[in-house]
Amino acid sequence: GENVEQHPSTLSVQEGDSAVIKCTYSDSASNYFPWYKQELGKRPQLIIDIRSNVGEKKDQRIAVTLNKTAKHFSLHITETQPEDSAVYFCAASKESSASKIIFGSGTRLSIRP
Amino acid sequence: KAGVTQTPRYLIKTRGQQVTLSCSPISGHRSVSWYQQTPGQGLQFLFEYFSETQRNKGNFPGRFSGRQFSNSRSEMNVSTLELGDSALYLCASSLVGAEQYFGPGTRLTVT
Repeated sequence: GENVEQHPSTLSVQEGDSAVIKCTYSDSASNYFPWYKQELGKRPQLIIDIRSNVGEKKDQRIAVTLNKTAKHFSLHITETQPEDSAVYFCAASKESSASKIIFGSGTRLSIRP
Repeated sequence: KAGVTQTPRYLIKTRGQQVTLSCSPISGHRSVSWYQQTPGQGLQFLFEYFSETQRNKGNFPGRFSGRQFSNSRSEMNVSTLELGDSALYLCASSLVGAEQYFGPGTRLTVT
C-alpha cells in the first residue's frame, strides 16, 4: 500500500524567511497530493493541493511542487508570518479510484518573531 | 452549507468499556473517513465509508468498527477500550474521497 514520508518533523524559521516541507510517496499510481494545516486545537484544513497532471501550483505565499519521476512533492511558504505557525500534513491518494488518503507524519512549523 | 459535525466533543471512559462516536458529513457528501490522531503519530487512517459500505480500511484491530447510514451519517465504535485508545478521533467527509473536510473531532480519554 501507499506510504508517505514527511520531513522535517519540526521546523523553525525567522519571520519573513521561507519554509520548505518535503514529502515522498511510494505508490506511483497516486495522483492527488493535498496539504493540510492544523493550528493548535483546531481541525486540519486543506490549504493547497496538486494533481499529477501539473508540476507546480501557487496560491499567494504558498506553492507546491511535484516530481512524479522521483515521487516527491514539496510545500513552499514564502514571507512567513506568525499565523503560519501550525502543524502541516502532506498526503497522497489515487483520486480516480477514490482510495484512502494516506497522510505524512506532520511537520510542526514555528515562526520566530 | 453546514460543516462536518461530530458528537460528543469530549468523552471520558474507563478501560474495558465501549464507546460510540458520531459524525454528520456536509450535506451531499457520501464519503466519510475516520482518523485517529495522537501526539506525535499524525493522522492514522481507520476506515472509509461510501454509500453505507466500508470501502477502505486501515491497520487497526477489530475492536474498531464503524457503519454508515442511508443519510450518510456515520458512527464509529470502539469496544473493550484500552489506555492507548486515548486520542482525538477525527472524521472527514468528501464528495468522492478526494478533498477531505474535517470535523472538530472527539477527544476520547480512557482511564
